[in-house]
Amino acid sequence: SAVISQKPSRDICQRGTSLTIQCQVDSQVTMMFWYRQQPGQSLTLIATANQGSEATYESGFVIDKFPISRPNLTFSTLTVSNMSPEDSSIYLCSVGTFYEQYFGPGTRLTVT
Amino acid sequence: RKEVEQDPGPFNVPEGATVAFNCTYSNSASQSFFWYRQDCRKEPKLLMSVYSSGNEDGRFTAQLNRASQYISLLIRDSKLSDSATYLCVVNPESGTSYGKLTFGQGTILTVHP
Repeated sequence: SAVISQKPSRDICQRGTSLTIQCQVDSQVTMMFWYRQQPGQSLTLIATANQGSEATYESGFVIDKFPISRPNLTFSTLTVSNMSPEDSSIYLCSVGTFYEQYFGPGTRLTVT
Repeated sequence: RKEVEQDPGPFNVPEGATVAFNCTYSNSASQSFFWYRQDCRKEPKLLMSVYSSGNEDGRFTAQLNRASQYISLLIRDSKLSDSATYLCVVNPESGTSYGKLTFGQGTILTVHP
């Protein structure tokens, strides 16, 4: 199993600003994944973050809006840039194996 | 058409009831299938993987029908603690992209006394 922590756990931000979310894993992993869960919705994959290379983004998500860093095998950050109220969501990072994915507790973001 | 479709419910059942959830997926090349459980304001956690041969874990039974692209979850003898949102999850890719999961919208289950 993997223990994942995220910071901050929640934040309230003004539109037009940016927020960087941190994800720390208790073991070294090759790939980390960032998901978004909008209010009342299920999870949607934003991007895959590999150490030492640029993140791979899913359709509908772009690097300028959601830049990702992956400086080492236990840590990643996701930045939500130039925020609007539509970005109000829970952002979760994830790691795992073919058999099971583990999710962080999430960062609950509210944009006013 | 959504890639993974579930009946959102909600399902309200009494303790001890048997309840079944269904899910369909659109990508016939999908490689692996799961049921995750998400409690209110918590992250999703794996309930069980789903295999073509069917698999059972205590009160929970999962089944996969690849021909019909259909996944099911059966919960017997429901407990109050089973109240949660149940997420049908599909990994549409093979190889190393095992974390690129596609989630259904979730089925809400409430078990009442």
